[in-house]
Amino acid sequence: AQKITQTQPGMFVQEKEAVTLDCTYDTSDPSYGLFWYKQPSSGEMIFLIYQGSYDQQNATEGRYSLNFQKARKSANLVISASQLGDSAMYFCAMRDLQGAQKLVFGQGTRLTINP
Amino acid sequence: NAGVMQNPRHLVRRRGQEARLRCSPMKGHSHVYWYRQLPEEGLKFMVYLQKENIIDESGMPKERFSAEFPKEGPSILRIQQVVRGDSAAYFCASSPADRVAHEKLFFGSGTQLSVL
Repeated sequence: AQKITQTQPGMFVQEKEAVTLDCTYDTSDPSYGLFWYKQPSSGEMIFLIYQGSYDQQNATEGRYSLNFQKARKSANLVISASQLGDSAMYFCAMRDLQGAQKLVFGQGTRLTINP
Repeated sequence: NAGVMQNPRHLVRRRGQEARLRCSPMKGHSHVYWYRQLPEEGLKFMVYLQKENIIDESGMPKERFSAEFPKEGPSILRIQQVVRGDSAAYFCASSPADRVAHEKLFFGSGTQLSVL
């Protein structure tokens, strides 16, 4: 069965510093996708970045990058040069073919950027 | 190209009433997912539908909850005889394709259900 674990309930970071949000996953399917979503206080779910299980390189999207370590089953999100607007809940999620395509979410990490 | 549209944005019901939540997927998307989010928790999968078909309802409570995605019109999540524990944010997501692990889901803004 699919499982996503985010072990950091909350993170506090100074503005302009880099931050790493942890995510580990479990699946028996060799083909899967890993996603990060941001949920600001307004509530909407904003897609940030995607990593495929067969991708050779780590995904990057602007200030976001995904540190994908397949053997360790980890998919940590790295935010460089953090900004006040990065304060939000961040969810790691996974989707595989055995899971009937549904996205399975972790518990989330609340990130607070301090000025 | 409009995104996933959910309405209402906020819904207040008294215990025992019915709640109907609507979701219109993005144009060209034929797959709809419903998720529930309790405060300070992640999103929990409820049901996955294609037009006129329920594909996976493994996350749906056995009683009082139902979902449909008719040939025409939005997807509806229906909660009968609501109880206070049903208070949560309900998100709808859509995607265009089937059996594609890399396809991301596009989410609506959610419906916040409050049961008094």
